[in-house]
Amino acid sequence: QKEVEQNSGPLSVPEGAIASLNCTYSDRGSQSFFWYRQYSGKSPELIMFIYSNGDKEDGRFTAQLNKASQYVSLLIRDSQPSDSATYLCAGGTYNNNDMRFGAGTRLTVKP
Amino acid sequence: KAGVTQTPRYLIKTRGQQVTLSCSPISGHRSVSWYQQTPGQGLQFLFEYFSETQRNKGNFPGRFSGRQFSNSRSEMNVSTLELGDSALYLCASSPGRAADTQYFGPGTRLTVL
Repeated sequence: QKEVEQNSGPLSVPEGAIASLNCTYSDRGSQSFFWYRQYSGKSPELIMFIYSNGDKEDGRFTAQLNKASQYVSLLIRDSQPSDSATYLCAGGTYNNNDMRFGAGTRLTVKP
Repeated sequence: KAGVTQTPRYLIKTRGQQVTLSCSPISGHRSVSWYQQTPGQGLQFLFEYFSETQRNKGNFPGRFSGRQFSNSRSEMNVSTLELGDSALYLCASSPGRAADTQYFGPGTRLTVL
């Protein structure tokens, strides 16, 4: 069983819509959670991190964490074609000192 | 602050050769993690170094090795290259722990012919 799971997509939304990306993790010891965006041929770049249950907003992005359900999500409001990329979810475990990445969800925003 | 740098950016090798990749972390960051990324397997963790010590290792054969220097710069080496080693090799640095925010370098694209 993969430790961090994401729907591989592709997820397609029209420009201006809300894109919802989801991620589940199996290690209850995970304490830090991250969303990275990766454009084709480029390296992952950090979008947001979240440590506590609830929502965290940064501009058009909102990360949501529910530790009881072992679920992390990323909402992108007012989606733009430039948001088209693969989004990687990651969970960090301090006890094991490691970070596990999901396989990524490919998002396409259509003009 | 300057970001994570990796050299070289592109590399073409033939089967059986060996290769060394270099990573310079963000200034002040002491943890360096290495990943292999392929279209089919996603991001696979190779190893993590902190203060010149390997703290964690992924499930890769012994042909993959690494080291870290006193200035936190890190190298990884792949010996006896195989076609399946063709991938994007990424390094990421974090201030102290691998579970903290990791910042990625641009990667080294390795092609094995």
